[in-house]
Amino acid sequence: DSGVTQTPKHLITATGQRVTLRCSPRSGDLSVYWYQQSLDQGLQFLIQYYNGEERAKGNILERFSAQQFPDLHSELNLSSLELGDSALYFCASSATGTSNEQFFGPGTRLTVL
Amino acid sequence: EDQVTQSPEALRLQEGESSSLNCSYTVSGLRGLFWYRQDPGKGPEFLFTLYSAGEEKEKERLKATLTKKESFLHITAPKPEDSATYLCAVQPISSGSARQLTFGSGTQLTVLP
Repeated sequence: DSGVTQTPKHLITATGQRVTLRCSPRSGDLSVYWYQQSLDQGLQFLIQYYNGEERAKGNILERFSAQQFPDLHSELNLSSLELGDSALYFCASSATGTSNEQFFGPGTRLTVL
Repeated sequence: EDQVTQSPEALRLQEGESSSLNCSYTVSGLRGLFWYRQDPGKGPEFLFTLYSAGEEKEKERLKATLTKKESFLHITAPKPEDSATYLCAVQPISSGSARQLTFGSGTQLTVLP
């Protein structure tokens, strides 16, 4: 158990809908990262937050957004969902903005029908 | 653009048959190279961080090594419970204060009893 929690474990929804994925980092970790894992793309970095502020953006679509709250939990919002958004979404956390090791949560499996 | 290539894509070993997994990388400047283990449907589990050429790290039956262009994950006398996908990732110096990882597509290891 990495100490990173994610909810829900599974999410099934329809095209065009909006969903919110939630992540709680390890106790004391200030950085949260979101990654998407699909069969054809592998693990892709989406976005990083550090202590409530956005620090880096990767291959994140404009339909996706995220935020980190004062209690350090983070939410990833996915809107206007398409079939191709079906994937595993992972959250990872690290101790500080300069810490290198990232610890991953169990993931949320999103299925868009 | 940072690139990580892992080989082979899949590897089947008999229990006790040692082997190595390869991770070749292209990055403008390497801050760190990471190895993770991922079981089906689960989040990646952190194994090792390597920072400079010549560095080696060991954990049970696993040993990771790093050169200027590639890293190897040596598995000595593997057991069936070592079956998993092994992921390699790089963290470039160019990421600055951000710490996102660029992952390879992984090597799926199966150890037969």
